[in-house]
Amino acid sequence: AQSVAQPEDQVNVAEGNPLTVKCTYSVSGNPYLFWYVQYPNRGLQFLLKYITGDNLVKGSYGFEAEFNKSQTSFHLKKPSALVSDSALYFCAVRDPEASKIIFGSGTRLSIRP
Amino acid sequence: DTAVSQTPKYLVTQMGNDKSIKCEQNLGHDTMYWYKQDSKKFLKIMFSYNNKELIINETVPNRFSPKSPDKAHLNLHINSLELGDSAVYFCASRTAGTEAFFGQGTRLTVV
Repeated sequence: AQSVAQPEDQVNVAEGNPLTVKCTYSVSGNPYLFWYVQYPNRGLQFLLKYITGDNLVKGSYGFEAEFNKSQTSFHLKKPSALVSDSALYFCAVRDPEASKIIFGSGTRLSIRP
Repeated sequence: DTAVSQTPKYLVTQMGNDKSIKCEQNLGHDTMYWYKQDSKKFLKIMFSYNNKELIINETVPNRFSPKSPDKAHLNLHINSLELGDSAVYFCASRTAGTEAFFGQGTRLTVV
């Protein structure tokens, strides 16, 4: 069975500092991995995905994530945080052989000025 | 020209009522989903359809019944609403090899 873990409920970072939001997964076979962001009272917005190819993927708003197969991780990163990055971030995984997309529990990112 | 649109955006209703939420996507996708987001923001998959065929049916009470009249639409009907059904319901769609695109959500409040 596939699963996703986001071990941190909240991450606090000062503006201008680098940020990391952690995600680990479990799936049989090669995973499809995704990051989404949710702003208050809004739907989920897609940030980036790993399907195949280069382990470092770049996405919207300057975010990037690194697929690490040996550690079964897909951490979200950004070199320099903005106050406007404050939101709820979800990691998700899908087994390519199945349709189900499983989401982590979410990490609230708070960027202080 | 919203890609995935849900109606209504807000729904307040009394316990015991029956209500429907509609979802339409104009992306030409063949797979659609319903997710429930609870008050703690957990996202739980409920149903998925592929080309109008039900392919995922999680452990959801049978008061919830999805219907897909065509590839572009996936509706959710809920009978005998309960207080615990209060949540935000999200519709999403995707095609092969892509990410899922989400609607803006329907906030259901049962009083």
